[in-house]
Amino acid sequence: QSVLTQPPSVSGAPGQGVTIACTGSSSNIGAGYNVHWYQQFPGTAPKLLIFENTNRPSGVPDRFSGSKSGTSASLAISGLQAEDEADYYCHSYDGSLGEPVFGGGTKLTVL
Amino acid sequence: QVQLVQSGAEVKKPGASVKVSCKASGYTFPNHGISWVRQAPGQGLEWMGWISASNGDTNFAQKFQGRVTLTTDTSTSTVYMELRSLKSDDTAIYYCARDRVRHEDNDYWGQGTRVTVSS
Repeated sequence: QSVLTQPPSVSGAPGQGVTIACTGSSSNIGAGYNVHWYQQFPGTAPKLLIFENTNRPSGVPDRFSGSKSGTSASLAISGLQAEDEADYYCHSYDGSLGEPVFGGGTKLTVL
Repeated sequence: QVQLVQSGAEVKKPGASVKVSCKASGYTFPNHGISWVRQAPGQGLEWMGWISASNGDTNFAQKFQGRVTLTTDTSTSTVYMELRSLKSDDTAIYYCARDRVRHEDNDYWGQGTRVTVSS
């Protein structure tokens, strides 16, 4: 059971948009800790996609955007492409546990 | 360019220990801590611990306290993760990852080291 909750799967058609939610609590996202997002393809290491809630590292397309409100955060992907099909993880810090925590991951399927 | 290169796959018996290395290059080693994250087959990411590359301070997930050791060799810019008393459910891919800022995002990741625990 992950501290941060994500839907196991989402899907969308090419060109459409999807949103992946990451729900936390008052000890992590709600406490003001930043949320980060990673993209992982099968058999490869995770790749940083969004850091500090809304920021994209150099090279990440602006089709990917992050937001945070209250005890939740979201990753939005617009203009879906086949190559976006991957697993996506949210990541934050939990003040009660005193350690970083990850969401359980969401598998994105591009129909 | 920043690179983290990990040691190769390991097969261990239950009760044994494993030591995985992570060699950093392309940046000033003491300026960024290194976290270790593991991923069991078909499962999500699990944070294990962190080490400062400047002074060796460590912080571990409660789950791994007392069973994992992190060390650094600043002369070779290498971080080591040792996990003891291995069990079958320690079978996973172990990643090292650079902390851009301590306990914030991990901006560069190693390629992963597969550790299999089997009798």
